[in-house]
Amino acid sequence: NAGVTQTPKFQVLKTGQSMTLQCAQDMNHNSMYWYRQDPGMGLRLIYYSASEGTTDKGEVPNGYNVSRLNKREFSLRLESAAPSQTSVYFCASTKGGADNQPQHFGDGTRLSIL
Amino acid sequence: AQTVTQSQPEMSVQEAETVTLSCTYDTSESNYYLFWYKQPPSRQMILVIRQEAYKQQNATENRFSVNFQKAAKSFSLKISDSQLGDTAMYFCAFMKLGGNNNDMRFGAGTRLTVKP
Repeated sequence: NAGVTQTPKFQVLKTGQSMTLQCAQDMNHNSMYWYRQDPGMGLRLIYYSASEGTTDKGEVPNGYNVSRLNKREFSLRLESAAPSQTSVYFCASTKGGADNQPQHFGDGTRLSIL
Repeated sequence: AQTVTQSQPEMSVQEAETVTLSCTYDTSESNYYLFWYKQPPSRQMILVIRQEAYKQQNATENRFSVNFQKAAKSFSLKISDSQLGDTAMYFCAFMKLGGNNNDMRFGAGTRLTVKP
């Protein structure tokens, strides 16, 4: 089973460039999430989508946009990349709703902004 | 807002010995889940163990067990018979029950090194 698949795994951008990180899950999960992981800070929620057709801001949404393309896919876009967005990005999914379950994570995308 | 604190940035343990990682959290919720995730150098986030707050019995998964103290808002992870493959970052996480937002709040992590 693939679980949660993120692409690309690594990317280097120049300041001001745009980039879309892709995430897809094959577990028929309703809820999907984007986190960033910085040294000494654990994971912080950027945006989430509780169900298909909805998206909401998390803890650190500034500089990002998201699209829940369909139930399987949830993309994260950086319109104008900044060095402060250098981080490791994780996508996660869960069944959601009243039946709360642990989140399943992708393998992460290491993004460097020069 | 919920916060999760891991006060030990780094720890080490000899192979086959026991180690305990600490986690405290702050919340006004009464129903929630707590988790420990392991992140090896491969960067995957792997669920180690979870605890439902309404359960008094401490969760156990093979060599991993927790000491859940709800009143003290403490959730420590004990690893028995440590193995080299346990070397990883360990994250404590909180998730409230119910509602549409199932996002987790993570601690900053504890880097555990198991020495041969």
